[in-house]
Amino acid sequence: KNQVEQSPQSLIILEGKNCTLQCNYTVSPFSNLRWYKQDTGRGPVSLTIMTFSENTKSNGRYTATLDADTKQSSLHITASQLSDSASYICVVSAAGSYQLTFGKGTKLSVIP
Amino acid sequence: NAGVTQTPKFQVLKTGQSMTLQCAQDMNHNSMYWYRQDPGMGLRLIYYSASEGTTDKGEVPNGYNVSRLNKREFSLRLESAAPSQTSVYFCASFLSDGRRQAYRSQPQHFGDGTRLSIL
Repeated sequence: KNQVEQSPQSLIILEGKNCTLQCNYTVSPFSNLRWYKQDTGRGPVSLTIMTFSENTKSNGRYTATLDADTKQSSLHITASQLSDSASYICVVSAAGSYQLTFGKGTKLSVIP
Repeated sequence: NAGVTQTPKFQVLKTGQSMTLQCAQDMNHNSMYWYRQDPGMGLRLIYYSASEGTTDKGEVPNGYNVSRLNKREFSLRLESAAPSQTSVYFCASFLSDGRRQAYRSQPQHFGDGTRLSIL
């Protein structure tokens, strides 16, 4: 069964600090991996999408990495801001499928 | 520039009542999806429509029906609501290549959800 595991479940950091969120997956055959940000009460919004051949992708202060050999990804947030407080969801797509497998998310709280 | 619009935003139903959740997108996307999100769980796919005129079951389809009314609209119907269907429902759309293959570089665009409580 395809699975996506995220860690930690929750994280509290001080404003201005960096943090890294982890994602491990068992989806096969792999097509692409996505990171989404979900603010409270809103729908998820795409941050990055990486295919098998890409191992790094940035979107402003967000940098995602992918190791397709170990089936791991990370999302690094630099110089965190209060507006980064949200849930971050790792999503993996299998090749040849319209269906996506979602992780449970990491809830990030940035405090002043 | 509305993106994906879901109505209603909130709804309370009694067990056994029926209801239709509406979703419309203005991005000319082929594929549309319905998910539910429950506390402590990832989003789970209920039904999807890869293209206009087609619908397929996802991971948790029991108790739901869908209609792809046209390219823009995809509705989700609860025929006889049950407390287990209390959840936040998200509609999403996606620009696919129409050949049963997720378009690698395109994101799914989500609406802001319908919060449904069934008493």
